[in-house]
Amino acid sequence: ETGVTQSPTHLIKTRGQQVTLRCSSQSGHNTVSWYQQALGQGPQFIFQYYREEENGRGNFPPRFSGLQFPNYSSELNVNALELDDSALYLCASSGGTSDYYEQYFGPGTRLTVT
Amino acid sequence: QQQVKQSPQSLIVQKGGIPIINCAYENTAFDYFPWYQQFPGKGPALLIAIRPDVSEKKEGRFTISFNKSAKQFSLHIMDSQPGDSATYFCAATGGNTGKLIFGQGTTLQVKP
Repeated sequence: ETGVTQSPTHLIKTRGQQVTLRCSSQSGHNTVSWYQQALGQGPQFIFQYYREEENGRGNFPPRFSGLQFPNYSSELNVNALELDDSALYLCASSGGTSDYYEQYFGPGTRLTVT
Repeated sequence: QQQVKQSPQSLIVQKGGIPIINCAYENTAFDYFPWYQQFPGKGPALLIAIRPDVSEKKEGRFTISFNKSAKQFSLHIMDSQPGDSATYFCAATGGNTGKLIFGQGTTLQVKP
């Protein structure tokens, strides 16, 4: 069984640029959730995708957007990057053959905005 | 009402001790309460979770105690080991949203 994978591991961008982060869900899962974790904080929910549709969104501006593909992998896109966007971005998968609530996290992508 | 409050912020115990981490919530719609363990530079790993129809759940050395009337739940780590040194997060969700609300985290250090 393959766990959740994310790419890239680290990324450095300049303020105002755009970034795309990628996530492959655990086998058997059909739901992907994205979280932002600032240093020393708990993860904050960005949004969730189920069957290629957004299924809930946290308190993040529209410049945070996402996609889910037919194979259940997902992308997180952030436009017009701001310094405060520097964080660990986590993807979690769930559902399908597993309990819907049981979310399994990937290793994260560390984004630094300068 | 969406918050989950976690305490203490940090905890130091000796090997073999039983660290206890507490969480409190307000939203009565929450019906799933997981605990995650996170090592530096890694993603959170699901440790154990409980639903409100039981007051206690054990998995190995990890135990969740749940008090529905007080809207509180706690994690106990039996016979703690230096390898348990990590940050622990409680979380809650419910209403079929799938949105996990996390506590602020507790940094645990287990001294040899």
